[in-house]
Amino acid sequence: NAGVTQTPKFRILKIGQSMTLQCTQDMNHNYMYWYRQDPGMGLKLIYYSVGAGITDKGEVPNGYNVSRSTTEDFPLRLELAAPSQTSVYFCASSEARELFFGEGSRLTVL
Amino acid sequence: AQSVTQLGSHVSVSEGALVLLRCNYSSSVPPYLFWYVQYPNQGLQLLLKYTSAATLVKGINGFEAEFKKSETSFHLTKPSAHMSDAAEYFCAVSDRMKTSYDKVIFGPGTSLSVIP
Repeated sequence: NAGVTQTPKFRILKIGQSMTLQCTQDMNHNYMYWYRQDPGMGLKLIYYSVGAGITDKGEVPNGYNVSRSTTEDFPLRLELAAPSQTSVYFCASSEARELFFGEGSRLTVL
Repeated sequence: AQSVTQLGSHVSVSEGALVLLRCNYSSSVPPYLFWYVQYPNQGLQLLLKYTSAATLVKGINGFEAEFKKSETSFHLTKPSAHMSDAAEYFCAVSDRMKTSYDKVIFGPGTSLSVIP
């Protein structure tokens, strides 16, 4: 049972480059999320989706974009990468308020 | 607005000793409460959750937490620490009111080290 799968696990970007973090879940959950984790800060919600075609901003959406064309996939796009986007990114899905996380994508912007 | 505080960003215990990780929440009504664990280079996974039944909640790997409304606390304990318990632990809260999505607020985390 794969659960939530994220790719890539590691990536180094140069300032101004763009990239997409991929996320797929096989639990048929309607709700999906993107969080970023910074040391000592816990997890901050970037974007969330309540179903295919429906997305909304979380606490820290600036510099990011998302789409949800299917129940399974919820990619996160970084446009014009900045050093402040250096972080560990987690995709998650949920059911009954229980979150299921991927293993994370560590992104460094230099 | 809801919030979660975790006292102590880093806790060290000896193997076999009691583990106590502190969590306090701020909410107008008792919320749903969770503890998640994150092992190195992995995502978070649910340890246990409090919804509205028993105030003492048992989770995986021998952990338990007690909801105390009067203290607005949900501290995590384990009677005897094992080396494999070394990880980051996050307390989280979710409002009981129906929301458009499963809105969960996370605390800053406590890193647990276990000394042999």
